[in-house]
Amino acid sequence: DIVMTQSPLSLPVTPGEPASISCRSSQSLLHRNGHNYLGWYLQKPGQSPQVLIYLGSNRASGVPDRFSGSGSGTDFTLKISRVEAEDVGVYYCMQALQTPLMYSFGQGTKLEIK
Amino acid sequence: QVQLQESGPGLVKPSQTLSLTCTVSGGSIGSGSYYWTWIRQPAGKGLEWLGRIYSNGGTNYNPSLRSRATISLDTSKNHFSLNLSSVTAADTAIYYCASEAMTAPGKLDYWGQGTLVTVSS
Repeated sequence: DIVMTQSPLSLPVTPGEPASISCRSSQSLLHRNGHNYLGWYLQKPGQSPQVLIYLGSNRASGVPDRFSGSGSGTDFTLKISRVEAEDVGVYYCMQALQTPLMYSFGQGTKLEIK
Repeated sequence: QVQLQESGPGLVKPSQTLSLTCTVSGGSIGSGSYYWTWIRQPAGKGLEWLGRIYSNGGTNYNPSLRSRATISLDTSKNHFSLNLSSVTAADTAIYYCASEAMTAPGKLDYWGQGTLVTVSS
C-alpha cells in the first residue's frame, strides 16, 4: 500500500506570513502520462473537505491563487503565499495512483492562526 | 453544479449492516462524467477512502474493508448507496459521499455534508 506522510502535523502561522506543508508518498505518484496523481484538500472546522489542488499542481476552480502545489514523484508541497484567517483547518494530501486502485490520505496538518 | 446529500440511519447495532444513500442533484449519475465515491472520518481522526462506483456499475473498494462493503447505484433515482456489513464500533464515523471527476483522477470536487453513523447496541 502507498503510505502518505505529512509534515508538520501542526502549523501555527501569523496572518500574512507564508506557510508550507510537505507530503511524501512511499511510492512514486508519477503516472506514465506525466501527471502526478496527488491532490490537496482542506477541511475547515465543521465542514466537509474541499479540493484545493489536483494532479499535483492544478488549482481547483474558485481556489485563491495564494495556494499552490508543487513536487513530483514522492515529494510534494502545498504552499500558501500569505495565510489568511479563513485558511484555518486541516490540510490533507491524497494519492490516487495505487494499483489495484485504492486512494489514501495523509494524516492531516492542522493550520492555526497565531 | 452538482450537489450530494447523504441519508440513512444514524445508529446501527453491532454485527448488522450499515446502509447509506447519497442523492445527487444538478447532474446525472449515469452521465459517465464522474466516479461516485464514499469516504469516512472517525471523530477527531483523518479521512479514509472506502470505494467508488462508475456509471456502468464498475466498482473499486478499499481492501481494508475485507469485502464487507458494497456500493451500488440507481440511475432511476439518481442516487448511489453504500452497504457495510458486520459493523463494529470501529465503523463509527462521519460518512461522506463525493464525486470524482473522470478527467482528473483524485479530484474529489463535490462532497456531501456528511452523516454521522454510530455503531452501538
